[in-house]
Amino acid sequence: DAGITQSPRHKVTETGTPVTLRCHQTENHRYMYWYRQDPGHGLRLIHYSYGVKDTDKGEVSDGYSVSRSKTEDFLLTLESATSSQTSVYFCAISTDSYEQYFGPGTRLTVT
Amino acid sequence: AQSVTQLDSQVPVFEEAPVELRCNYSSSVSVYLFWYVQYPNQGLQLLLKYLSGSTLVKGINGFEAEFNKSQTSFHLRKPSVHISDTAEYFCAVTFSGGYNKLIFGAGTRLAVHP
Repeated sequence: DAGITQSPRHKVTETGTPVTLRCHQTENHRYMYWYRQDPGHGLRLIHYSYGVKDTDKGEVSDGYSVSRSKTEDFLLTLESATSSQTSVYFCAISTDSYEQYFGPGTRLTVT
Repeated sequence: AQSVTQLDSQVPVFEEAPVELRCNYSSSVSVYLFWYVQYPNQGLQLLLKYLSGSTLVKGINGFEAEFNKSQTSFHLRKPSVHISDTAEYFCAVTFSGGYNKLIFGAGTRLAVHP
């Protein structure tokens, strides 16, 4: 357990509404990540951060934005949610030895 | 670019039998390799990792994996499985200088039957 929490844990929202998911860590790790998990695809990287205000795109970044104003918080925003963004979202941190530890996940349903 | 292929989407096995979950990777640079386990409705837990050194690595819950550079493989094994090993298993790879980003395989669902 690397002290990672995600909020909310479950959310149902309507198409076209903005949604923000929060990831919070307690151990001051530099690297943080957002992944989405879909059947048959494993986990795919959405965005990642390598420091405060330092972020970059991952494999599936279209329709998502992120912000990191403090070391401990990494926010993922869906500007205008679509049904294709229904998924389970995982936040993760990386240690200096390349290990990643994951939060408990957020199940998002877009209706 | 790096990629990971898990050769079996589902593996059924009887309790106390041995199991092997196969993982192959593709990369033009040196990689670091991982296996994660996900129990139903839970997050991912690190099973084991290969960074360097001995090619046979041991992890939690009696699992082990062998790194084979010539075959670009990192297969996961357990000599005797339990019902509680039923879960989804993910192979993942990262590399030096890549911000520790993980590239995952699609996963293998291990179903252990009594």
